Amino acid sequence: DTGVSQDPRHKITKRGQNVTFRCDPISEHNRLYWYRQTLGQGPEFLTYFQNEAQLEKSRLLSDRFSAERPKGSFSTLEIQRTEQGDSAMYLCASSLAEATNEKLFFGSGTQLSVL
Amino acid sequence: AQSVAQPEDQVNVAEGNPLTVKCTYSVSGNPYLFWYVQYPNRGLQFLLKYITGDNLVKGSYGFEAEFNKSQTSFHLKKPSALVSDSALYFCAVRAIFGTGTSLTVIP
Repeated sequence: DTGVSQDPRHKITKRGQNVTFRCDPISEHNRLYWYRQTLGQGPEFLTYFQNEAQLEKSRLLSDRFSAERPKGSFSTLEIQRTEQGDSAMYLCASSLAEATNEKLFFGSGTQLSVL
Repeated sequence: AQSVAQPEDQVNVAEGNPLTVKCTYSVSGNPYLFWYVQYPNRGLQFLLKYITGDNLVKGSYGFEAEFNKSQTSFHLKKPSALVSDSALYFCAVRAIFGTGTSLTVIP
């Protein structure tokens, strides 16, 4: 068990560019979550998958954001036409969703800076 | 809809004193409640959870939390604070997180 892995750790981009982040969950985990966190704030839920199905997406999420989990393993989060307000830490978490017992394991995150 | 509130942005406590970090929640159905901790320059870590059963839940690092259904609260507690407990603490109901409370333990 190597934990949840996120790549890259840091990304600096210019406004208007597209960026893509990758998350590799713990191998046996069937749920995968994406969050966004800004300094001093709590993680803001973006979306989550159960296996390859995207079950929920935040209503506050711009349509510039899209996530995929094509084979039910790793996931990618893409932000198109980045804006300075997109600068944040993007966190991935995974869990093994059993009946009532779900604990999230978080990756170290990808820090995005949009210039 | 579900939500969680942490009314205190900052809690300061002297080392050796008991600490409490407050959390209230709103949820339809069973409240699956969690506490997570974020140490400086480190990722979020699970502390403890309440799913069902005893209202007093024990977790990692000597922390515990008390589930109170009538007050819809799930306050985090520790009998004797350590300087190393200084961190950001997040309450969560399922996958929805509160805004966090910064705990500082003063030597």
